[in-house]
Amino acid sequence: DAGVIQSPRHEVTEMGQEVTLRCKPISGHDYLFWYRQTMMRGLELLIYFNNNVPIDDSGMPEDRFSAKMPNASFSTLKIQPSEPRDSAVYFCASRASGGPYNEQFFGPGTRLTVL
Amino acid sequence: DQQVKQNSPSLSVQEGRISILNCDYTNSMFDYFLWYKKYPAEGPTFLISISSIKDKNEDGRFTVFLNKSAKHLSLHIVPSQPGDSAVYFCAVSTQGGSEKLVFGKGMKLTVNP
Repeated sequence: DAGVIQSPRHEVTEMGQEVTLRCKPISGHDYLFWYRQTMMRGLELLIYFNNNVPIDDSGMPEDRFSAKMPNASFSTLKIQPSEPRDSAVYFCASRASGGPYNEQFFGPGTRLTVL
Repeated sequence: DQQVKQNSPSLSVQEGRISILNCDYTNSMFDYFLWYKKYPAEGPTFLISISSIKDKNEDGRFTVFLNKSAKHLSLHIVPSQPGDSAVYFCAVSTQGGSEKLVFGKGMKLTVNP
């Protein structure tokens, strides 16, 4: 059974460019989470969806960040315009409601470098 | 303001010995406590968890201990193996309500052969 799929795995872009990160959750999971990992702040939750609806976006750092989930099998995180301080590893995770301990399943991440 | 703290950034142990990873949290409302393991270039993977109604949960070589009065969580790995070398994150959440997990910053464990 496929896990959470993220693309691209690596992205290098120049400051000011638009960046789009993609995620396919595990089939049947109704929660989807976007995280950002940096050395300074560790793993931070940016936003999460339930049944394709954004529930909590309080972790989204600025208006430059936006996330969508048009259907149960696809989500995007967009940064426009990108800045060097956005360089980080971005993870997508999913889980099924009713699972024990709120366990989440993570994708392999997208390493973003903004020059 | 960190709600979950892993105060030691790294730990090095010899193969076969015990590894003890610690985690402190600030909010007594947290009900669920999880440990994740992360290898380089991979996403975190779930390792073991415990609910607030227990003080110990064991799964093979891995045991998690919860001290609610001290708001302290620990992960014991015994015996440690070189394949256990990874970054370990503790995470906490609340029952019902928010689906959020709050993560510590992680601790790098190195198990030397």
